[in-house]
Amino acid sequence: QVQLQESGPGLVKPSGTLSLTCAVSGGSISSSNWWSWIRQPPGKGLEWIGEIYHSGSTNYNPSLKSRVTISVDKSKNQFSLKLSSVTAADTAVYYCARILTGYSHDAFDIWGQGTMVTVSS
Amino acid sequence: SSELTQDPAVSVALGQTVRITCQGDSLRSYYASWYQQKPGQAPVLVIYGKNNRPSGIPDRFSGSSSGNTASLTITGAQAEDEADYYCNSRDSSGNHARVFGTGTKVTVL
Repeated sequence: QVQLQESGPGLVKPSGTLSLTCAVSGGSISSSNWWSWIRQPPGKGLEWIGEIYHSGSTNYNPSLKSRVTISVDKSKNQFSLKLSSVTAADTAVYYCARILTGYSHDAFDIWGQGTMVTVSS
Repeated sequence: SSELTQDPAVSVALGQTVRITCQGDSLRSYYASWYQQKPGQAPVLVIYGKNNRPSGIPDRFSGSSSGNTASLTITGAQAEDEADYYCNSRDSSGNHARVFGTGTKVTVL
């Protein structure tokens, strides 16, 4: 059974870069799935950040595109998120998720437990 | 980019039926998926595609769609169904983006 685990610093300074990694276990990141990052500010709703395929193809949220980079490391079976020029508004729980893709549908079927990242000096 | 609008909160008596709606232009082109989130936990997929339930999701959860509106119905709501529910679909702007709904808090009375 595929499991996802986020890791990375819980505290990032303003104007710095937030860096997180999602380790995939129980399956291969090179399977026919996209892999995604999603965040949730405290007390607020979910926001899709972006996604990556094992080939390296990416799609990003237009509102974050200028600051986001998602990459994949097939040798380590993991994918990563970098968000630059962070402000307090980037404080959130960050989730990684697998995207289940079918003929007429897709959905985030497996989620990591989430990791809280606070932007503060 | 597209937006998906949900009612902020709904309540349902124990054992009764509740429908949660999600409205947006992208739903004319794409199916919604639905997620249940309980406090302090990661979201869980409950419905995807036309009306598909992942393994382990009770059959009291069902989905439907008409025009620009997707719906999640809980038939015979249980106390454990009290949670936040979010819809999601692709953005219809052609930018391959995805968008979440604003979320609905379901209270079981």
